[in-house]
Amino acid sequence: DSGVTQTPKHLITATGQRVTLRCSPRSGDLSVYWYQQSLDQGLQFLIQYYNGEERAKGNILERFSAQQFPDLHSELNLSSLELGDSALYFCASSVDSGRQQFFGPGTRLTVL
Amino acid sequence: GESVGLHLPTLSVQEGDNSIINCAYSNSASDYFIWYKQESGKGPQFIIDIRSNMDKRQGQRVTVLLNKTVKHLSLQIAATQPGDSAVYFCAENIEYGNKLVFGAGTILRVKS
Repeated sequence: DSGVTQTPKHLITATGQRVTLRCSPRSGDLSVYWYQQSLDQGLQFLIQYYNGEERAKGNILERFSAQQFPDLHSELNLSSLELGDSALYFCASSVDSGRQQFFGPGTRLTVL
Repeated sequence: GESVGLHLPTLSVQEGDNSIINCAYSNSASDYFIWYKQESGKGPQFIIDIRSNMDKRQGQRVTVLLNKTVKHLSLQIAATQPGDSAVYFCAENIEYGNKLVFGAGTILRVKS
């Protein structure tokens, strides 16, 4: 158990819908990262927050957004969902920016 | 129809043998490297890391070797066990960078 929690574990929704994925980092970690893992793209970095502030952006679509709250938990919002958004979404956390990251168990999103 | 996915290299080893998983990294400025293990349905799990000022680092049954000249990283697993079966990813990070860049991964299959 990495200490990073993610909810929900599974999510099934329809195209055009909006969903919110939630992540709680390990105690003491200030950085939260979101990754997307799909069959044809591998593990792709989406976005990073550090102590409430956006720190880095990767291959994140404009339909996706994230935020980190004062209690350091983070949410990833995915809107206008498309079939291609079906993937595993992982959250990771670390004490320092960019260094050893601890991954949560992931949320499996299925868009029908 | 047939689904298209990443065609990850696969390493098949006999239980008890040593395994060597290789990774080529892309950025000569990267100064920190991590190996992750991902079992089916789970998030990536930290195995071992190494900084660029080292050539070798050992953990429990695992050794990471770094060759900066050819930008190559390897993970050696001693006395491979069935529980080692998973996908292994290398990741690189640039000092004060904000994200890890992951390789495509290698599937390790351990035959009993």
